[in-house]
Amino acid sequence: NAGVTQTPKFQVLKTGQSMTLQCAQDMNHNSMYWYRQDPGMGLRLIYYSASEGTTDKGEVPNGYNVSRLNKREFSLRLESAAPSQTSVYFCASSDRDRVFLVNQPQHFGDGTRLSIL
Amino acid sequence: EDKVVQSPLSLVVHEGDTVTLNCSYEVTNFRSLLWYKQEKKAPTFLFMLTSSGIEKKSGRLSSILDKKELFSILNITATQTGDSAIYLCAVDHAPSAGGTSYGKLTFGQGTILTVHP
Repeated sequence: NAGVTQTPKFQVLKTGQSMTLQCAQDMNHNSMYWYRQDPGMGLRLIYYSASEGTTDKGEVPNGYNVSRLNKREFSLRLESAAPSQTSVYFCASSDRDRVFLVNQPQHFGDGTRLSIL
Repeated sequence: EDKVVQSPLSLVVHEGDTVTLNCSYEVTNFRSLLWYKQEKKAPTFLFMLTSSGIEKKSGRLSSILDKKELFSILNITATQTGDSAIYLCAVDHAPSAGGTSYGKLTFGQGTILTVHP
């Protein structure tokens, strides 16, 4: 079972370059998320998509854009990369308990390690 | 501002020791608290807690939530070297009290646990 798949696994960019990180899930989940993880700061939410066709800003959205291409895929774009965006990026997906209106635990991909010089 | 704080930030123990990891939170419209274990790559789900005072247990790991005092603990008994990881606490909370709004996760900084043989 693939779960959540992220590509690429590693990438090095120069300042000012653009790049799209890809994420796909095969669990038929409605909600998808993008996080960044920096040392000592846990995971911080960049953007999320509660359902196909909707996207919302998280805690640290500046410098990023997202596209929910279909139910399976949620991409994250850096239009003009900056050294401050050097980080490990995680994509996650989850579904929602429709009776108790509680989000189910999120499933994470293996991450993309991005370095910007 | 929504906040999740974990302590200690790092912990070094020997095999066989018992450890207690702490997570305190201040969020609006709490829905659930989750614990994840992160080894080299993706965080993997351990527990989801929604009710106070009910212990969740899985092998040597257990966790409990106190919604009055706004904290949770994760206990690991008889630690093994395979328990070495970052343990992440996250709180699912909603922007408004309405049950139809989708929540999102705020993570703590994580506790780095190192277990020596």
